[in-house]
Amino acid sequence: AQTVTQSQPEMSVQEAETVTLSCTYDTSESNYYLFWYKQPPSRQMILVIRQEAYKQQNATENRFSVNFQKAAKSFSLKISDSQLGDTAMYFCAFMKQNNAGNMLTFGGGTRLMVKP
Amino acid sequence: DTEVTQTPKHLVMGMTNKKSLKCEQHMGHRAMYWYKQKAKKPPELMFVYSYEKLSINESVPSRFSPECPNSSLLNLHLHALQPEDSALYLCASSQGHGKGANVLTFGAGSRLTVL
Repeated sequence: AQTVTQSQPEMSVQEAETVTLSCTYDTSESNYYLFWYKQPPSRQMILVIRQEAYKQQNATENRFSVNFQKAAKSFSLKISDSQLGDTAMYFCAFMKQNNAGNMLTFGGGTRLMVKP
Repeated sequence: DTEVTQTPKHLVMGMTNKKSLKCEQHMGHRAMYWYKQKAKKPPELMFVYSYEKLSINESVPSRFSPECPNSSLLNLHLHALQPEDSALYLCASSQGHGKGANVLTFGAGSRLTVL
């Protein structure tokens, strides 16, 4: 079974600054995907960024980037130029693919507050 | 249309009631999911439907009964629930295969309160 650990229950950052959210995972799979999802107070889970494990290059999406260290099983999210709208719960998630369906396993979440 | 629509947004029911949650998507996705999320916790997988067939049941109690009438619609029938079943129920969908199959699109959820 896979486990995903987010060691920071809460974090805060000043608007326009940079913040890094940590995530580690444990798996014996060699082929898998990693995700960061954001859940604002509106409740909807929104995909922030994803990483294929077989790709060495770190994924980036505008102000969001990851530091993927496969050997260390670490997958941190960096948010640059933080905005008030980034305030949300952030979940790191692991997915392995099998014929029955794509199963996402979530970490416990990090609540991020962006302060003006 | 790139949305997953869930109704109702809020539902209050007694332990003897029968109710249903509904989820709809028109993105041509062939995999659909139900997740349960308790307050301040991550979502937990309940069921997966792949090409309208139930492919994963994560040992969910029988008082929760999923149904997939067609490729666009997913229901969750509720009967004889317990107060501890109160939670946010999230529906998601993804392509059935191919490069997009690993990206889940979530709905905004149905907040269920069992009295």
